[in-house]
Parts: sequence; C-alpha cells; structure tokens
Amino acid sequence: SQQGEEDPQALSIQEGENATMNCSYKTSINNLQWYRQNSGRGLVHLILIRSNEREKHSGRLRVTLDTSKKSSSLLITASRAADTASYFCAANSGYALNFGKGTSLLVTP
Amino acid sequence: KAGVTQTPRYLIKTRGQQVTLSCSPISGHRSVSWYQQTPGQGLQFLFEYFSETQRNKGNFPGRFSGRQFSNSRSEMNVSTLELGDSALYLCASSSTSGEVWETQYFGPGTRLLVL
Repeated sequence: SQQGEEDPQALSIQEGENATMNCSYKTSINNLQWYRQNSGRGLVHLILIRSNEREKHSGRLRVTLDTSKKSSSLLITASRAADTASYFCAANSGYALNFGKGTSLLVTP
Repeated sequence: KAGVTQTPRYLIKTRGQQVTLSCSPISGHRSVSWYQQTPGQGLQFLFEYFSETQRNKGNFPGRFSGRQFSNSRSEMNVSTLELGDSALYLCASSSTSGEVWETQYFGPGTRLLVL
C-alpha cells in the first residue's frame, strides 16, 4: 500500500527556478528517503533524512522533515533541464520502503 | 564498484506462464529487495532478503516468490502470469545489516509484458 503521498503530482518550471515537492506519510518512520527516476528507468537515491533530523542539504537539494505532521519537502534550487524526472519520497519503517506516487517535474530551458 | 544489475531487461510472456527475474547486488551488499512499478499502483514493495532469509514481504499473492543465494544474488519468480503482472520490476541492494534501512541502490529494472 502507498504510504507516501507527493504533492503536486506534476510541476512545470523554467530553468533557474526553484522546485518544491511535498510528501506526506501515515505511520512512524525510521527515515525518509527521496529518489529520482528518469523515464521509467531505475531509481536514483537523492537524499536520506533520519527521523531525528529536521533539515538536510546536499548540493542543490534541501529536505525538511516534520514528524509531528508526518510530512517532508524536497526543494531543488536553481533547476536545470537535466532535473526533469519523476521524484518519489519513500518512508522507511522497517525492511521496506513505502513509496508515494511521485511528482513529475518538467524543467524547460 | 559495479552497480546493481538485473537480467533480463525486457521480457514478453503470455498469460499462465511463469517467469524468473534475476538480480545481482552491489558487491558486499547482503540485503536485496524487490519492487513492482505499475502506472496504476505505483511502486510497491514485494519482499526483502538478507543472508538468504526473507525478512519482510509485501501484500502480494503467493504467485510471487523469491529467494537469495549465498553470494547475495537474488531471483524472483512469478507463476501463472496474469495481464496485471505487466510492470517494471526493480531490485535494490543495501549494505544495511541491521533493522534500520539506509540508502537503497536500485538496478535498471526488468520490464515484463504479459500478453
């Protein structure tokens, strides 16, 4: 069953703009992970945030986690055309990742 | 290190047949998990293996099974294929040995089409 739910489902922006995606989950977690997928290919791990962390940065990525609201957000700054992909949050609450349905991001030149 | 590899990459089967998919994890990784991705249901967890033992299983019928070998390579099998089994099957490996999962490294997937 889906635990993570991303919002929005689709996002279209221009190069240089920031993209923000939100994710909600249902149960307690050990950590929350964000992945990227290009055109139905394998998933690429972007960033992991632990349940006792509130914010984490990695390059142009910033992730926040609010365990009281069971929500997370992914911010991509200064987006590039190469960032065009689907982005998934995955809640880890044991020996499984529970994925949301993803946000489809389109970055146009 | 070489990444996670999956074979075959594409597969076409007919209803009622069975299929076996293979996954080789990153060298040194002992945890292997499988996921099914479809447009309607999204990414769903199938099962996870660690040191040849299944530690967790998703909500899939018994037609879906898997195993892991002593070298950590894993296979999943789907028997009596149905049209709804058409999907991208993804394998992921991790170096995690404890209860808390860390980063999962995904393979390119096997795209199965059932006719």
